[in-house]
Amino acid sequence: SAVISQKPSRDICQRGTSLTIQCQVDSQVTMMFWYRQQPGQSLTLIATANQGSEATYESGFVIDKFPISRPNLTFSTLTVSNMSPEDSSIYLCSVVQPGYYGYTFGSGTRLTVV
Amino acid sequence: GENVEQHPSTLSVQEGDSAVIKCTYSDSASNYFPWYKQELGKRPQLIIDIRSNVGEKKDQRIAVTLNKTAKHFSLHITETQPEDSAVYFCAASRGSGGYQKVTFGIGTKLQVIP
Repeated sequence: SAVISQKPSRDICQRGTSLTIQCQVDSQVTMMFWYRQQPGQSLTLIATANQGSEATYESGFVIDKFPISRPNLTFSTLTVSNMSPEDSSIYLCSVVQPGYYGYTFGSGTRLTVV
Repeated sequence: GENVEQHPSTLSVQEGDSAVIKCTYSDSASNYFPWYKQELGKRPQLIIDIRSNVGEKKDQRIAVTLNKTAKHFSLHITETQPEDSAVYFCAASRGSGGYQKVTFGIGTKLQVIP
């Protein structure tokens, strides 16, 4: 399966600031997915990122708050903008490789907003 | 959209006993059902999956069953060991290959008591 490098692994940020999370995949993938996992909760899809097109956001998530870039087939970033304590969560990127159905997840970014 | 319900939310078993986690889904078009294991502080990892054209799949001590008519699927872990302690997520999706929107259950925290 693919190997995903996600960084930073954790950060503590001041409210009102922004944080950009990066995911680098060791192989080319068509789609990358960004998830949020609040403490003790399940995984909620934020958006799906295609290379060369705008990301598709799920209900409750908007581009102004969570802008995503996907400049090539191996890399994506998620920015959490104008952060508030409610944004404290773990953010995970994931991919599905061609011919393989299961997700591979990055190691996650544990964000704390103070 | 798809809705996946999972129960129980917590499960404690004695080492060596079996554990069963059950999930139901709402979208009859869903055709792929993965299970993920998430150890504390780590990323979710795929442990077993099943497609809609199969009723049962087994991999050593873990097995998954699918009842398409009733729209439910279950994870069975036999001869549980302390290292099986983790949160388990069921999921459902439709689509094939590169794109699939995956909906996760709320998770089951399994504790195996030595």
